[in-house]
Amino acid sequence: KAGVTQTPRYLIKTRGQQVTLSCSPISGHRSVSWYQQTPGQGLQFLFEYFSETQRNKGNFPGRFSGRQFSNSRSEMNVSTLELGDSALYLCASSLSGTGTHEQYFGPGTRLTVT
Amino acid sequence: KNQVEQSPQSLIILEGKNCTLQCNYTVSPFSNLRWYKQDTGRGPVSLTIMTFSENTKSNGRYTATLDADTKQSSLHITASQLSDSASYICVVSAQTGGSYIPTFGRGTSLIVHP
Repeated sequence: KAGVTQTPRYLIKTRGQQVTLSCSPISGHRSVSWYQQTPGQGLQFLFEYFSETQRNKGNFPGRFSGRQFSNSRSEMNVSTLELGDSALYLCASSLSGTGTHEQYFGPGTRLTVT
Repeated sequence: KNQVEQSPQSLIILEGKNCTLQCNYTVSPFSNLRWYKQDTGRGPVSLTIMTFSENTKSNGRYTATLDADTKQSSLHITASQLSDSASYICVVSAQTGGSYIPTFGRGTSLIVHP
């Protein structure tokens, strides 16, 4: 069974630009969650999508948004990039959500904002 | 505010030795507690998931304990191996209705020396 895949793996953007990251979950998984990981803050929850609907949301500004398609693939968008958005962005998939179901993480997208 | 505190921040041990990592939390209402292992440059991998009623959960050489009364958890690693060198992250999820919001600890960085 193929794991969670994320594209691109590395990305360099300039302040003020926007960026879109992609996540393909494990086949059959309907929940996709996004996380930001930085040395200063550690891992932080961004949002979770289930069946094309945002079900949970962390404490991030509206510049961070996402969506999920009918095949469960998900995209995350960050608009008006700031230097502080430089981070490893991880997505994770599970059968039904972040309850007690196993979550499987992808390798992450390393975003650098200059 | 929900918080998860992990100790120690870093730990160095010799191969073959045992070690115990600690996680204290103030997350409410409690849903579940997870321990993840994250190798450098990779996404986290789930080790254990524990709900309120579970006291102990094992996964090979990894054993997690949970004391829901004192809101403490520990991860015990027996007979450590070089491949155990990684960051170990404790995650506690709060449940409100059908929503699960995870709060992450900052992790314990474990280095196993030969």
